[in-house]
Order: sequence, then structure tokens, then C-alpha cells
Amino acid sequence: ILNVEQSPQSLHVQEGDSTNFTCSFPSSNFYALHWYRWETAKSPEALFVMTLNGDEKKKGRISATLNTKEGYSYLYIKGSQPEDSATYLCAFKAAGNKLTFGGGTRVLVKP
Amino acid sequence: EAEVAQSPRYKITEKSQAVAFWCDPISGHATLYWYRQILGQGPELLVQFQDESVVDDSQLPKDRFSAERLKGVDSTLKIQPAELGDSAMYLCASSFSSGTGNWEQYFGPGTRLTVT
Repeated sequence: ILNVEQSPQSLHVQEGDSTNFTCSFPSSNFYALHWYRWETAKSPEALFVMTLNGDEKKKGRISATLNTKEGYSYLYIKGSQPEDSATYLCAFKAAGNKLTFGGGTRVLVKP
Repeated sequence: EAEVAQSPRYKITEKSQAVAFWCDPISGHATLYWYRQILGQGPELLVQFQDESVVDDSQLPKDRFSAERLKGVDSTLKIQPAELGDSAMYLCASSFSSGTGNWEQYFGPGTRLTVT
């Protein structure tokens, strides 16, 4: 059983502040790391697919980094807005294998 | 923009009853996935189809759960009989392929099941 953990489980952020949170995954047999954003009552939406150690991806105010050697990825939100309120899921993919999801980080941005 | 459709969005059923969920993937997507997400946990893969064939159902409780994708397009997930522990969000996703490469999975909005 692959262990994918996200921390913290939840966090409250003041509008305009920046924040970040972590996804930890096995450092062996790495193939890809996916990030999803899941807003209440909507479908999970793909943010990033990361494959290379040292990868950095950016989409608007959201960015992510990847360290496959130590088995972690950070997701950053710069200048948080209320519309950033969502659960952020990471999913680890080993070679030839299915996605294993972490438990998610629930972000609430307060106006 | 093409979307994965799921119905119903919400379902309340009594334990020991049968319940079924339907998923229509994005047109042209060969791979279809059913996930179960229990509150506070990440989605867990129940079954994966490649066209009409099951390629992974290792986590599907086969004594009560069944899934089919008869024509390789839409799919149905059934639970019979439902148990209290089946209360969860059931998500369907599809991707163009599942072979070599990182094919993005597109998710539907899910079906929230409550078993009373």
C-alpha cells in the first residue's frame, strides 16, 4: 500500500495572504505527481502533472514544486482569494500503476 | 468544453437496498475509472475499464459491488445490498488512454450516497 500524505488537513488563510502546503509520497519507483483542485459541488479539476525532479509549474497565482528524491511536493497560492477556497488533492503515480491520492488539504480563504 | 456526466448527484437509500450510479465519460476516452471517496480521505480506485474490459478491480468489494461498461462508452456501478459503510462520494473519471504516458484524468461531479 502506497503512503501519500498531505499536510495540513485544513488551513484558514486571510484574503491577500500567501500560503503553501505539502504532499509527501514514496521516493522510489516515481512516475508522476498530479495536483487537483476540488471546489464544493463541482468536479475535481486537474492543476498540474509533474514528472521531473526539480519541476516547477505555475497556473495563475498557483504554483507547485517537486522533489522526487526526498518524496515531496509543495503547492503555493500567492495572494489568496476567496475563489481559491477548495480541497487540494495530490495523487502519486508509480510506474505502470494507478493514481494513489492523498487525503487532501482543505483551504478556506476568509475575506 | 466536454465533461464527464454522472447521475444521480445525490442518493439516499436504506441499508440492504440496491443502488446504481451512472457515468458518461468524455467522448473518445477509452479509459474509465470509478473512485470512492470517504469523508476526510482521498479518492480510492474501485475499478478501471479500458474500453469494455476491466483492467483493475482489485479494490472492488465484489460480494456487493459490480460495474459494467458494456459498449465501452457509459458505465454503471451497482451496490447490492447497500451497507451503512458504503456512505461516500462516488466519483467517475475518464482519460484518453491509460498506457505509457501521463494521461490526465477528467472527473465528474460525483454521486453523494447516504445509506440509512
